[in-house]
Amino acid sequence: DQQVKQNSPSLSVQEGRISILNCDYTNSMFDYFLWYKKYPAEGPTFLISISSIKDKNEDGRFTVFLNKSAKHLSLHIVPSQPGDSAVYFCAATSGANNLFFGTGTRLTVIP
Amino acid sequence: NAGVMQNPRHLVRRRGQEARLRCSPMKGHSHVYWYRQLPEEGLKFMVYLQKENIIDESGMPKERFSAEFPKEGPSILRIQQVVRGDSAAYFCASSPRSANSPLHFGNGTRLTVT
Repeated sequence: DQQVKQNSPSLSVQEGRISILNCDYTNSMFDYFLWYKKYPAEGPTFLISISSIKDKNEDGRFTVFLNKSAKHLSLHIVPSQPGDSAVYFCAATSGANNLFFGTGTRLTVIP
Repeated sequence: NAGVMQNPRHLVRRRGQEARLRCSPMKGHSHVYWYRQLPEEGLKFMVYLQKENIIDESGMPKERFSAEFPKEGPSILRIQQVVRGDSAAYFCASSPRSANSPLHFGNGTRLTVT
């Protein structure tokens, strides 16, 4: 029962262009959403989050958009840099104790 | 400013042996979480602990797995009588509070059962 879904296992983008990573969820009780970035052999690193009372949160090159009616969120990275190449995980929680993670999207930024 | 520390980074066990994974949370963090990542999958929640208490173990297999976070020392995830299906990366995370705060992850322990 995958409550958080990332349907694109991989994405390739040219350096300098925008990367858009997508995430869908099924549980309407989720009220806090996060994006993590993961390099091989390392743990996930927190990138950015958004509360369900907002529809956008921006931090430097990273912006997260939340569409509650569609149960969809996305992460925009602009401009994309080669160092952004990693696996990106979307996660969600209902304020309870555990995060539900998607299966990840591998982003490759081509120099 | 040490992050979440996990050891060992790699652990090899034969079927039937016990595996002990350790996690020291970030300084000031009293909430510890364990997650497991199987190959080609996302992270799956296992257990959430505070000092000396298990708060939520709904993701933990009912048999062979146990976790503790004693008053002193690291959190321990213990797997008894390991089987090949236990081979995975086990990640520990910590946070300063339980609700709506980002978790900070360690670099994981990769368990291989031969």
